[in-house]
Amino acid sequence: GQNIDQPTEMTATEGAIVQINCTYQTSGFNGLFWYQQHAGEAPTFLSYNVLDGLEEKGRFSSFLSRSKGYSYLLLKELQMKDSASYLCAVRDSNYQLIWGAGTKLIIKP
Amino acid sequence: EAGVTQFPSHSVIEKGQTVTLRCDPISGHDNLYWYRRVMGKEIKFLLHFVKESKQDESGMPNNRFLAERTGGTYSTLKVQPAELEDSGVYFCASSQRGLAIEQFFGPGTRLTVL
Repeated sequence: GQNIDQPTEMTATEGAIVQINCTYQTSGFNGLFWYQQHAGEAPTFLSYNVLDGLEEKGRFSSFLSRSKGYSYLLLKELQMKDSASYLCAVRDSNYQLIWGAGTKLIIKP
Repeated sequence: EAGVTQFPSHSVIEKGQTVTLRCDPISGHDNLYWYRRVMGKEIKFLLHFVKESKQDESGMPNNRFLAERTGGTYSTLKVQPAELEDSGVYFCASSQRGLAIEQFFGPGTRLTVL
């Protein structure tokens, strides 16, 4: 079956750096996505990786290793507004998005 | 530019009743997706429209669910009759034509079946 694993919850301190890991086993691979979702709101797109390596976008970076079925989202200079759920999703061979359950990130002052 | 909108934001119905959810995608977006998130679990794909055509409906749980996208604009998702396990948040998303990377999500409809 298809499976995406990510930690349920993480806690970090304002101003610090946090890395959220995601491992996946899917039927085919056509890209990995990270979305941010604040409670009660719509998921919003953060990043997309289809080739191995690091993609940087401001305070956020996302890394992919296709051979290991592994990705991480790196958040730097954490701000209180970064408290949210972070969703990892993989586009499979049918171009469907397969989602992880999300990682709830709690930022403390 | 308006984002993806969904109506209603919340719906509470009794088992056996019918509910229709509506999604208005971003204007000009050919692709429209429906997803569902049951409490505590991951988001699950339901189906994908390209304009008015169903491209992929393999995620639809059963024949109590019917989705339409008349004219290739807004879409409706009808659940008839609703069962307890249908409770969850139903998200709609849209994207530009082709294999667009970014899907834009609506705020979701929270459905509670009692």
